[in-house]
Amino acid sequence: GAVVSQHPSRVICKSGTSVKIECRSLDFQATTMFWYRQFPKKSLMLMATSNEGSKATYEQGVEKDKFLINHASLTLSTLTVTSAHPEDSSFYICSAGREGMNTEAFFGQGTRLTVV
Amino acid sequence: GQNIDQPTEMTATEGAIVQINCTYQTSGFNGLFWYQQHAGEAPTFLSYNVLDGLEEKGRFSSFLSRSKGYSYLLLKELQMKDSASYLCAVLDSNYQLIWGAGTKLIIKP
Repeated sequence: GAVVSQHPSRVICKSGTSVKIECRSLDFQATTMFWYRQFPKKSLMLMATSNEGSKATYEQGVEKDKFLINHASLTLSTLTVTSAHPEDSSFYICSAGREGMNTEAFFGQGTRLTVV
Repeated sequence: GQNIDQPTEMTATEGAIVQINCTYQTSGFNGLFWYQQHAGEAPTFLSYNVLDGLEEKGRFSSFLSRSKGYSYLLLKELQMKDSASYLCAVLDSNYQLIWGAGTKLIIKP
């Protein structure tokens, strides 16, 4: 099956710094990538949808200036958490879809962000 | 609004069978997915149903009734490693995944 690689898997950063998370589709071209946030014991919360070469579409309540998404190529999307605060600590997961494919979403391994 | 309901937690015994139900109300329907998620890990795909009926895949089966807005995931011959959260998700008319809150399944020896 298709593979999506997310890096880093864990990161600890100081409050006020920025953290970049990468999501790569390894064996297919991902025209659309999704970024999710998951709180403990909660389901996935869609943050934004990114399409290659265009601006990301953010869900209501998600600050686009805080969570910067770049989908510069068909195999790479990045999420940058700017000026991180402890409340940004969470599990962030990306998923990718192929054009015309309406079946399973392929997930990255997730990134555990801890802001201290 | 869009809504997906599934039980918060279920407990079952090793070797037994368990059925996890999911009901949904969404704007449009383009398929229903079941995912397994172990703590601290990303979800992994289990099944996809777009037509009514039962899809069997090894120890796991998934059923869909579109008229009732209902699906279930059936797990047979339960193993301890099946302890995980099981997420139901529906692809709506915009091809966006709407997620349920997940069912935490606890397997006891």
